[in-house]
Amino acid sequence: GAGVSQSPSNKVTEKGKDVELRCDPISGHTALYWYRQSLGQGLEFLIYFQGNSAPDKSGLPSDRFSAERTGGSVSTLTIQRTQQEDSAVYLCASSTRGVVDYTFGSGTRLTVV
Amino acid sequence: EDQVTQSPEALRLQEGESSSLNCSYTVSGLRGLFWYRQDPGKGPEFLFTLYSAGEEKEKERLKATLTKKESFLHITAPKPEDSATYLCAVQSNQAGTALIFGKGTTLSVSS
Repeated sequence: GAGVSQSPSNKVTEKGKDVELRCDPISGHTALYWYRQSLGQGLEFLIYFQGNSAPDKSGLPSDRFSAERTGGSVSTLTIQRTQQEDSAVYLCASSTRGVVDYTFGSGTRLTVV
Repeated sequence: EDQVTQSPEALRLQEGESSSLNCSYTVSGLRGLFWYRQDPGKGPEFLFTLYSAGEEKEKERLKATLTKKESFLHITAPKPEDSATYLCAVQSNQAGTALIFGKGTTLSVSS
């Protein structure tokens, strides 16, 4: 597609439920990133995928968070047993290899009630 | 620890009133400094990358500069459509390909 697509755009879930957030990167972009933007905070790196290499998971805040990327394209971020502190905007970005000025999607706003 | 601090948190300008936004950074080896613009409900939009002290880049009414400790985003004769949150981020030797972002400066330009 023309840009990075994320779905859903908004998600309200009950505390303790699992959620899945989807990211469809720009076609041909081999690098994919997930960031979290909490209210009043800067963007926080979560995870990075590059081609078929093992992902860099160093930013995942707990073992409740996981992500996968199928076929080098679409990625899913899964949050298990959601907590209120997980409420944030989750942003996905993609880029070509070696390029750090990546393109962001519009994000998924997650609200845990 | 790598750190990025932006100031001010919020800035209100009249149309045509030039000003500057500041981004101070502390990193273990700067590989690049990035400026993004973020509109409400949207993801950040890339503006500039700066790699070395003394480097400058311009785009329309925006000009970004870099020193060894900070970067400035100069806005000349702003228009209401320049209203947005401006984010600064750095790539460091320690963080690899992940960017470290500041909290942003929210700019409001009134006519």
